Amino acid sequence: GNSVTQMEGPVTLSEEAFLTINCTYTATGYPSLFWYVQYPGEGLQLLLKATKADDKGSNKGFEATYRKETTSFHLEKGSVQVSDSAVYFCALDNNAGNMLTFGGGTRLMVKP
Amino acid sequence: DTEVTQTPKHLVMGMTNKKSLKCEQHMGHRAMYWYKQKAKKPPELMFVYSYEKLSINESVPSRFSPECPNSSLLNLHLHALQPEDSALYLCASSLRTPEKLFFGSGTQLSVL
Repeated sequence: GNSVTQMEGPVTLSEEAFLTINCTYTATGYPSLFWYVQYPGEGLQLLLKATKADDKGSNKGFEATYRKETTSFHLEKGSVQVSDSAVYFCALDNNAGNMLTFGGGTRLMVKP
Repeated sequence: DTEVTQTPKHLVMGMTNKKSLKCEQHMGHRAMYWYKQKAKKPPELMFVYSYEKLSINESVPSRFSPECPNSSLLNLHLHALQPEDSALYLCASSLRTPEKLFFGSGTQLSVL
């Protein structure tokens, strides 16, 4: 079956620090990969996506590269801000139906 | 309009009550979803409607009853819930497949 594994949080960083949140996956076929972000008290928002190997998704300074050889889709940002504090979910869609598989989520806390 | 609107934002109900959660979108999306999210956990898929027909039911107890009256509306009828059903209930929509899910802000449900 499909599964997504994320590093456990919380991840606590100072403002302007470099961020990496690890995500690895197990899937059949050629899944599409996503990062969603959930701010406190809100639903999830799509942050970025990649649909095939070696694609790089990017948005708002965040980026992630679809690495088929390591089955990974790590999220990175060069300089985090306090406003980036949220929970980040890695997810995959195996393109076989209307279903996303989510990882467990990683809480990011950025301190001034 | 790129929003998914959920009402109410908060709901407290007793175990004998009947209540309904509502979700609305006007983006022309033909797939709509109900997710349940417990604190510090990823969303869990409950139901998927595709073109107003129930296409996926993830073995959800019958005390949860979904309804899709038209292509813009999705309801979740609640009856005889248990305290363990307390969670954030998220509605989402997508054009067809979950390539990009748009989530509402959710209804925070407490069952007493």
